[in-house]
Amino acid sequence: KQEVTQIPAALSVPEGENLVLNCSFTDSAIYNLQWFRQDPGKGLTSLLLIQSSQREQTSGRLNASLDKSSGRSTLYIAASQPGDSATYLCAADTGGFKTIFGAGTRLFVKA
Amino acid sequence: EAGVAQSPRYKIIEKRQSVAFWCNPISGHATLYWYQQILGQGPKLLIQFQNNGVVDDSQLPKDRFSAERLKGVDSTLKIQPAKLEDSAVYLCASSQTGVGTEAFFGQGTRLTVV
Repeated sequence: KQEVTQIPAALSVPEGENLVLNCSFTDSAIYNLQWFRQDPGKGLTSLLLIQSSQREQTSGRLNASLDKSSGRSTLYIAASQPGDSATYLCAADTGGFKTIFGAGTRLFVKA
Repeated sequence: EAGVAQSPRYKIIEKRQSVAFWCNPISGHATLYWYQQILGQGPKLLIQFQNNGVVDDSQLPKDRFSAERLKGVDSTLKIQPAKLEDSAVYLCASSQTGVGTEAFFGQGTRLTVV
């Protein structure tokens, strides 16, 4: 059974700092891994989708990497801004259209 | 491109009452999902439709939850009777058919059972 874990559960950093969010999964047989952002009281916004054959994806200040063999993905945020404050969720697609989510990392960027 | 639409945004009901949520997916998306997100946790898949057929409902509490997707477009999720532990945000998502395709989420419905 696939389990997805995110560390840390919460993170507070000063504005301008580069940071890394971690996501680990127990079953390496995934089709893709997706990173989402969730603002309080809102739905999920897709940030990056990494297919199983890919190693990383980049969008602006965000870079996500995937290492299937070790069961890990990281989301790197460069030059963090207060507007980046949100909860970041990773989700592993295990095939059969099953997507398993982690509990998320709550990020607070201080101005 | 219009996103996934959900209504209502908020709902407060007493325990043992019934409630229904509605979802309109992105046009052309054959796959529709309902997730339950309890405060502080990641979303948990309740049910997945492919067109109007159920693909996976293994985590749906079928004694009180039901869902349908008539004509393979809109979907409704119903809870009857509601319990206190059903308080959560209910998220609807849709995606195109195909392994590994990206899912798009609605704003969610926040349910409070008192």
